[in-house]
Amino acid sequence: AQSVTQLDSQVPVFEEAPVELRCNYSSSVSVYLFWYVQYPNQGLQLLLKYLSGSTLVKGINGFEAEFNKSQTSFHLRKPSVHISDTAEYFCAVSDSGGGADGLTFGKGTHLIIQP
Amino acid sequence: EAQVTQNPRYLITVTGKKLTVTCSQNMNHEYMSWYRQDPGLGLRQIYYSMNVEVTDKGDVPEGYKVSRKEKRNFPLILESPSPNQTSLYFCASSLWGSEAFFGQGTRLTVV
Repeated sequence: AQSVTQLDSQVPVFEEAPVELRCNYSSSVSVYLFWYVQYPNQGLQLLLKYLSGSTLVKGINGFEAEFNKSQTSFHLRKPSVHISDTAEYFCAVSDSGGGADGLTFGKGTHLIIQP
Repeated sequence: EAQVTQNPRYLITVTGKKLTVTCSQNMNHEYMSWYRQDPGLGLRQIYYSMNVEVTDKGDVPEGYKVSRKEKRNFPLILESPSPNQTSLYFCASSLWGSEAFFGQGTRLTVV
């Protein structure tokens, strides 16, 4: 069975500073990787996804992530954060393209932006 | 507008009183699933469906039932809710191999 580890449950960072949210997965087969964001009292929104091709993936709101197969990692980064980025971030893995049937989520990282 | 709609958004109920949370999507998606979200545990899959009349258990199916009689609807049924089912529930839908779309969530409290 697949598993996803988000190493930090909470990440505080000052506004306009860079941030990295870490994600590692366990799988020996082809995987599809995703980052979702959940703003307070809302559902999940897809930030970005890696299906194949370039290992550097750009998403919405200035976020990007890099797929590293040798380290089985898919860390999320943003060069300069804003107060509006305060949210819960979930890394997810799938072996079926990310469809609703087969997503496995990490436990989430709460990004806290300090003014 | 393409969307996944869950109802109700908030529900407080008593132990043992049967309830149903509805989920409907207007994108003609084959795949639908239910997740529960608990603090520190992330999202865990309860049940999923690959098409009409085809459902299967996810990681935490105990205490839940589902049905898929129509492509657009995938209700979650708690026949005898217990306090440990207090949680935030999400419905999701997708085409095969494509991005999942999530509903806004249903916050359930069982007292």
